[in-house]
Amino acid sequence: GDSVTQMEGPVTLSEEAFLTINCTYTATGYPSLFWYVQYPGEGLQLLLKATKADDKGSNKGFEATYRKETTSFHLEKGSVQVSDSAVYFCALTPTGNQFYFGTGTSLTVIP
Amino acid sequence: NAGVTQTPKFQVLKTGQSMTLQCAQDMNHEYMSWYRQDPGMGLRLIHYSVGAGITDQGEVPNGYNVSRSTTEDFPLRLLSAAPSQTSVYFCASIPDRGTTGELFFGEGSRLTVL
Repeated sequence: GDSVTQMEGPVTLSEEAFLTINCTYTATGYPSLFWYVQYPGEGLQLLLKATKADDKGSNKGFEATYRKETTSFHLEKGSVQVSDSAVYFCALTPTGNQFYFGTGTSLTVIP
Repeated sequence: NAGVTQTPKFQVLKTGQSMTLQCAQDMNHEYMSWYRQDPGMGLRLIHYSVGAGITDQGEVPNGYNVSRSTTEDFPLRLLSAAPSQTSVYFCASIPDRGTTGELFFGEGSRLTVL
């Protein structure tokens, strides 16, 4: 079945460090891929998305490229800030009816 | 805009009690859904609805009932709570089905079953 596997956390980085959070997926067909972010005490909110192979989603300095050949959608940011501390979820939907989420990766950025 | 509103934010139940988690959205979204979030498990889909009068099961539907009598509301019912239902519950909606749809989440309801 459809599923998402993402990098185990927690991840702790110093401010201005480079961030990569790995995400790979299993799906039939051509799913849409997402990264959601959850700040403490809040619901999830969309960070970025990509709907077809080779698309690059970007927002707030974060980027992820839909790689069909490696079934991956890794999240990257060149220089993290303390305000980026949150839990990040990779997700996919093959049909728009059901969304499948990874287990989440907790990121803490220290000054 | 209120967006997606969930109540209550916190609830403690005893095993066997029943309760309803409320979810309302004011964005006229067709699609609404309920997820549970557990440590190490991510979010798992419980039930979803593609419109008023239409509901379907997700990945973990056992122990939960839903109905969709209006576009705005999508309550989640626990008929006989069990400790395994201790979790954080999120309601989410999108304007309509489609592979590009962004889920809009409520702030969550933390349920503890003793």
